[in-house]
Amino acid sequence: KQEVTQIPAALSVPEGENLVLNCSFTDSAIYNLQWFRQDPGKGLTSLLLIQSSQREQTSGRLNASLDKSSGRSTLYIAASQPGDSATYLCAVKVGAQKLVFGQGTRLTINP
Amino acid sequence: SAVISQKPSRDICQRGTSLTIQCQVDSQVTMMFWYRQQPGQSLTLIATANQGSEATYESGFVIDKFPISRPNLTFSTLTVSNMSPEDSSIYLCSVIRGTDEQYFGPGTRLTVT
Repeated sequence: KQEVTQIPAALSVPEGENLVLNCSFTDSAIYNLQWFRQDPGKGLTSLLLIQSSQREQTSGRLNASLDKSSGRSTLYIAASQPGDSATYLCAVKVGAQKLVFGQGTRLTINP
Repeated sequence: SAVISQKPSRDICQRGTSLTIQCQVDSQVTMMFWYRQQPGQSLTLIATANQGSEATYESGFVIDKFPISRPNLTFSTLTVSNMSPEDSSIYLCSVIRGTDEQYFGPGTRLTVT
């Protein structure tokens, strides 16, 4: 059974810092990995999708990496801003189009 | 991307009643997914809905409790039946677009008293 773990559960940093969020999964047989952000009381916003054959994806200040063999992904956020405050969720796609989610990292950027 | 709307956005319901949640997508999709997010928890897949066939339910979820309709390629409903406080959650509709990227609706926040 695929399990996804995100560390840390919560993170608070001053504005402007670069930071890394971690995601690990137990079964390397994944189709892809997707990072989302969730604002309080809201749905999910897709940030980055990494296919199983890829090593990383970039979008603006965000960079996500994937090491399938070790079951790890990282989300790097450069020059953090207060608007980046949200919960960040990692999810891996397994058979039949099912996403398995981690518990999320609650990020707070302090002005 | 995909534009997904859900109705209602939130509701407070009494124990023993049922609520039907609607999901509308801006263009046709083959599969629609329903997820649940219990308080303080992450998301769990309830079922996958294909147009013209019965929904496929994940372990721990049954059709009698969560009946799903998929009348066309842009619309689906999820009913939460005979509700109990344990059903208090956010229910999210989801679709796949493009290169297998998954998109989510804004969610329906359900509170059962």
